Amino acid sequence: GDSVTQMEGPVTLSEEAFLTINCTYTATGYPSLFWYVQYPGEGLQLLLKATKADDKGSNKGFEATYRKETTSFHLEKGSVQVSDSAVYFCALSLSGANNLFFGTGTRLTVIP
Amino acid sequence: EAGVTQFPSHSVIEKGQTVTLRCDPISGHDNLYWYRRVMGKEIKFLLHFVKESKQDESGMPNNRFLAERTGGTYSTLKVQPAELEDSGVYFCASSQGGRFTYTFGSGTRLTVV
Repeated sequence: GDSVTQMEGPVTLSEEAFLTINCTYTATGYPSLFWYVQYPGEGLQLLLKATKADDKGSNKGFEATYRKETTSFHLEKGSVQVSDSAVYFCALSLSGANNLFFGTGTRLTVIP
Repeated sequence: EAGVTQFPSHSVIEKGQTVTLRCDPISGHDNLYWYRRVMGKEIKFLLHFVKESKQDESGMPNNRFLAERTGGTYSTLKVQPAELEDSGVYFCASSQGGRFTYTFGSGTRLTVV
């Protein structure tokens, strides 16, 4: 069935380190792909999205590229900040559907 | 603009009791969704309302769960009777468009003891 597999956490990095959170998916057809972020005490927020192969989503210094050949959508940031500490969820949505399939989430802690 | 509001933020109940979670979507949003994250696992879709109608309830785990959306405004999710495996965080989201325009609430953490 349709699913998302993302890197197990937690991940702890020092400020200004490079971040990669891996995400791969299994889906029928051509899904849209998303990264959501949940900061402490808040709801999930859409961080970035990509709707077709080779699209790159970007926001707040984060990037992810929709790779159909490897069924991946890895999240990257060149230099993390303490304020990036949060839980990150990879998700997909099938064409014609409104619901999302999420991964298990990866908790990121950035230390000064 | 007020966001999606969920309450309570936390609820601790005993096995066998009943709990009702409430979600107030953004005003004017026809689409309302419920999701659940069981501890350490993925967030899973429960159901989708369009106005007051259930568009898709394929994710509802069993008949102990009942969702309603009276008048197409706020929604409630009742669990009766609650079991230990129902513990988790229940998220609500609303949108006026489709899947690209979700706004999530901060969730209700339910603990069944």
